[in-house]
Amino acid sequence: DTAVSQTPKYLVTQMGNDKSIKCEQNLGHDTMYWYKQDSKKFLKIMFSYNNKELIINETVPNRFSPKSPDKAHLNLHINSLELGDSAVYFCASSPGRGSNTGELFFGEGSRLTVL
Amino acid sequence: DQQVKQNSPSLSVQEGRISILNCDYTNSMFDYFLWYKKYPAEGPTFLISISSIKDKNEDGRFTVFLNKSAKHLSLHIVPSQPGDSAVYFCAASARGGSQGNLIFGKGTKLSVKP
Repeated sequence: DTAVSQTPKYLVTQMGNDKSIKCEQNLGHDTMYWYKQDSKKFLKIMFSYNNKELIINETVPNRFSPKSPDKAHLNLHINSLELGDSAVYFCASSPGRGSNTGELFFGEGSRLTVL
Repeated sequence: DQQVKQNSPSLSVQEGRISILNCDYTNSMFDYFLWYKKYPAEGPTFLISISSIKDKNEDGRFTVFLNKSAKHLSLHIVPSQPGDSAVYFCAASARGGSQGNLIFGKGTKLSVKP
């Protein structure tokens, strides 16, 4: 029973297409995140939602739009895909903004390849 | 501008010996540090953390040391086991880590040979 699950795990698509990656957590956490691991292997935060409210929005093109229908789900929609969007996208969750541990629980990642 | 640096992309250690993974940071506002372990095709999993008010935290075979004046931390694994072979990410945050905005290093790939 996966705690943080992402779908799809692999996604190959053409430039210019629109695609979505879904994420669900069954840990009862209040906060969810999207991280991007690029070709240089850096893991960088993109967005963070706390109880469906956007709390972190790093410098990400507005082609990327997160959507949180409830606190257990945080989906990532990407419009007009570009070659540079190829990366592994990780969803994560944490108990809440009041958590003192800073520990994040990650999903397995979704590898996006844009051709 | 890398705020968290792991200068060794890889490390190879014999089973039973000590593994030492290093991490440097530049932002003096960081007050919470974590190590994550990642196997291929899996997400990172939390390993151990340390607050800036401490200089050492131990959990079984894993110990993290923090040298604030040098802005340096290290993860010691003793004794190393083949199952420890993975990529280890150092991460740091400001404001007690409660915001979840972790800044990650590029990772060090550890290989423990039987």
